[in-house]
Formats: sequence, structure tokens, C-alpha cells
Amino acid sequence: QSALTQPASVSGSPGQSITISCTGTSSDVGSYNLVSWYQQHPGKAPKLIIHEGSKRPSGVSNRFSGSKSGNTASLTISGLQAEDEADYYCCSYARSNTQLFGGGTKLTVL
Amino acid sequence: QVTLRESGPALVKPTQTLTLTCTFSGFSLSTSGMCVSWIRQPPGKALEWLARIDWDDDEYYSTSLKTRLTISKDTSKNQVVLTMTNMDPVDTATYYCARYRALGASYFDYWGQGTLVTVSS
Repeated sequence: QSALTQPASVSGSPGQSITISCTGTSSDVGSYNLVSWYQQHPGKAPKLIIHEGSKRPSGVSNRFSGSKSGNTASLTISGLQAEDEADYYCCSYARSNTQLFGGGTKLTVL
Repeated sequence: QVTLRESGPALVKPTQTLTLTCTFSGFSLSTSGMCVSWIRQPPGKALEWLARIDWDDDEYYSTSLKTRLTISKDTSKNQVVLTMTNMDPVDTATYYCARYRALGASYFDYWGQGTLVTVSS
């Protein structure tokens, strides 16, 4: 199983919107609506921000949204804020009850 | 309040076996849908899922590492233990345990702070 494919980096100015893609295959992202997204600030543990493709846990800003089309899931952050600067990882349920992470995307707020 | 905390050696020698313990509170691993996973992150690199143990004692392992990993639980102590054999310098990483929600879902909703393990002679 190969890692899910994410862009290495994205950037945006405060107030703008950005989208991070997460591409898998028909054996993982494409077969299940079970993609989750995590935000990780330097030196910290990852934090769940989206699960089951588009659901936000309690306490997570509605500026974060998720979607999926075919084998690609996407995370959109609207109204970018300086505190959004972090690494973002997608994760999908995969065959044989395993989990597959993406390679991570570094978000820079200009 | 759900918390998880990893513990284990900070330094292991090549070929040794690593044993990590995840001690958690705020939930029971005997409750349907509750699971605990181990995930690692080499310095400056991406997250990698390693293993999972479920409320019903089912165990799941990374395809690439399954021959080296064993996960177990002690429900009465609220602990999950991961062992990884034949450690190599490439296994140097921060190791996290995380609660995983199953039964129609698939996500890690609570994470420990991680423990850095360095493999070096």
C-alpha cells in the first residue's frame, strides 16, 4: 500500500481560501467515505479536524470543510488565519481494516 | 476527559526489540467501537499507521511491518502495548498512540503527546 498523495506545500494570504487534495485509489479513498484530516503544529500531536469525509468534530471551526470526488478527497480552509499555518494530513480507511496516511501538506499563511 | 500517554525507552540499539506502552483514561477498550492505534512519525516526515487493537480483541497491522509488530491490551489497566522487533536506525521516530473510532467510522479522535524513540548504537 502506497501513501495517499498530497501536495507538499500550499500557501495563501489571510482571508483567502485554500484547498488541499488527497489522492488515493479505488481500494481506499474511492471505495469508502472514510477520509479524515488532521492538523499538526510543529512539535505537537496531530488534531482531528474532519472525519467521514466532511464531518467536523465539536469545537473545530466551520472554516474547515471536506469533500470527495472519485479517488480524491479535499480539505478546504476558508478565511485563512495565521493560526492555520501547520502541516495537514489526510487518512483513509483501506482494505483489510488498515489505515493509510497521506504524505502531508505544509500550509504557509503569507 | 479522554487522555492517552505513551511511555517507553528513548534510546534503543539496532536489532533490539522496542516495547511501548500506551496508558489511557476516559474510555474503556471493552466498549463497542473503541480501538487504540499506534502511529509513528520520523523527524521531518509524514505520519505512518502501524497497528490497531479493537474492543473485541481483533488486531490489525501495517502490511509492510506486520512481521515485526505485536499489539496487545490489558483492559483492566487501561493499557495497550506495542512491540517492534529488530529495530533499525530508520525506525527512529516519534511514536503516538491514538484512540480510533470504528463501527461505521474511521478516525483518530484523541492522541497522546508522542514519545521520541532513537535507534542508535
